[in-house]
Amino acid sequence: NAGVTQTPKFRVLKTGQSMTLLCAQDMNHEYMYWYRQDPGMGLRLIHYSVGEGTTAKGEVPDGYNVSRLKKQNFLLGLESAAPSQTSVYFCASSYRLLRGGVGEKLFFGSGTQLSVL
Amino acid sequence: GESVGLHLPTLSVQEGDNSIINCAYSNSASDYFIWYKQESGKGPQFIIDIRSNMDKRQGQRVTVLLNKTVKHLSLQIAATQPGDSAVYFCAENMGGETSGSRLTFGEGTQLTVNP
Repeated sequence: NAGVTQTPKFRVLKTGQSMTLLCAQDMNHEYMYWYRQDPGMGLRLIHYSVGEGTTAKGEVPDGYNVSRLKKQNFLLGLESAAPSQTSVYFCASSYRLLRGGVGEKLFFGSGTQLSVL
Repeated sequence: GESVGLHLPTLSVQEGDNSIINCAYSNSASDYFIWYKQESGKGPQFIIDIRSNMDKRQGQRVTVLLNKTVKHLSLQIAATQPGDSAVYFCAENMGGETSGSRLTFGEGTQLTVNP
């Protein structure tokens, strides 16, 4: 199993350009997440999904959109990139959360380094 | 707002010594905590987790201690090795069945193991 796979690994954009980050997981996980990581600020949740066809806002959703058309894929879109979106983006997935806590552990991809000039 | 944080941004130890990485949290309602290890250029990897009904949990060379009285979490690494050099994050779960696993992460501690 590949686990959580993110593409691309690196990308440079100009201000105003758009792009989509792709996340794919082969573990049949219900839940998927997008985080961004900035120096000194840890990981912050952008958007998440608790199932196919559903999405929800996280802590820092502005400037991003997501879609979960298939259970195994979670797309993160930037419609008009800004320098403040320069960051490392991580996708994660987890099992369905059950009573007693099964499913809380997140499995992360290897990240996408995005620079917006 | 409530958050998870770490006492020290960096920790340097000698190979073979024991390492202790600390974490303070302020959300008394959190009932699940987790430690991740992140090596340079990679995503976070699960190390160990603990529920609030436990004070201690041991894994292979790692132990997590939870002190709910002072809202403190620590990760102990025994016989630290060069391969343990990484950034370590603690996180607490603020989610539920309808919102997935809503982990709130601390800022991380950079552990450096000197040969």
